Amino acid sequence: DTAVSQTPKYLVTQMGNDKSIKCEQNLGHDTMYWYKQDSKKFLKIMFSYNNKELIINETVPNRFSPKSPDKAHLNLHINSLELGDSAVYFCASSQDRVGAGLGDEQFFGPGTRLTVL
Amino acid sequence: AQKVTQAQTEISVVEKEDVTLDCVYETRDTTYYLFWYKQPPSGELVFLIRRNSFDEQNEISGRYSWNFQKSTSSFNFTITASQVVDSAVYFCALKSSGNTGKLIFGQGTTLQVKP
Repeated sequence: DTAVSQTPKYLVTQMGNDKSIKCEQNLGHDTMYWYKQDSKKFLKIMFSYNNKELIINETVPNRFSPKSPDKAHLNLHINSLELGDSAVYFCASSQDRVGAGLGDEQFFGPGTRLTVL
Repeated sequence: AQKVTQAQTEISVVEKEDVTLDCVYETRDTTYYLFWYKQPPSGELVFLIRRNSFDEQNEISGRYSWNFQKSTSSFNFTITASQVVDSAVYFCALKSSGNTGKLIFGQGTTLQVKP
């Protein structure tokens, strides 16, 4: 029973293409996140959704568009892929409820390794 | 500004040695949370511990222990009697209650335990 799952695990594509990464959590959590891990292993938040509502949108190019159809899913769509988008993208979830304390640990998916050629 | 610094980029030890991974954080918030995550070579991120800013008690879990000191803004992680399976990248992270919950990660420390 995978708690946070992502598909695909690997994604190799050409510059200029559009691609999506899907994330699902079966933990019943209210908040979901997307993080990017670069080639130096540095992890940085991109987006966060709480109960389908966007609450964090870091300085990310608008080629990246998250979509949350329900609180168990948070997908990431990337338009016009560039070489610099190559990275590992992690989805995460936590029980955190906005306004009720935000200290809960985040559980991460296995990551999606995106390679742009 | 909020920041997490893990000054040790790489550490190499021989099995059974004890090793401490340092973490120093910066925040102006009075309520905040500190975390450690492990990223083994397989790539997933594994949650190890959470500590809130009001609880300075040290924690021990098997061979792992954590030392939280607000006076020095540090949250160090010690592995006792290290094993080869401890080889991984370890991340310290900070979350403040007022910033909608995002985790701010340190740069990570790569630990290599040699047999």
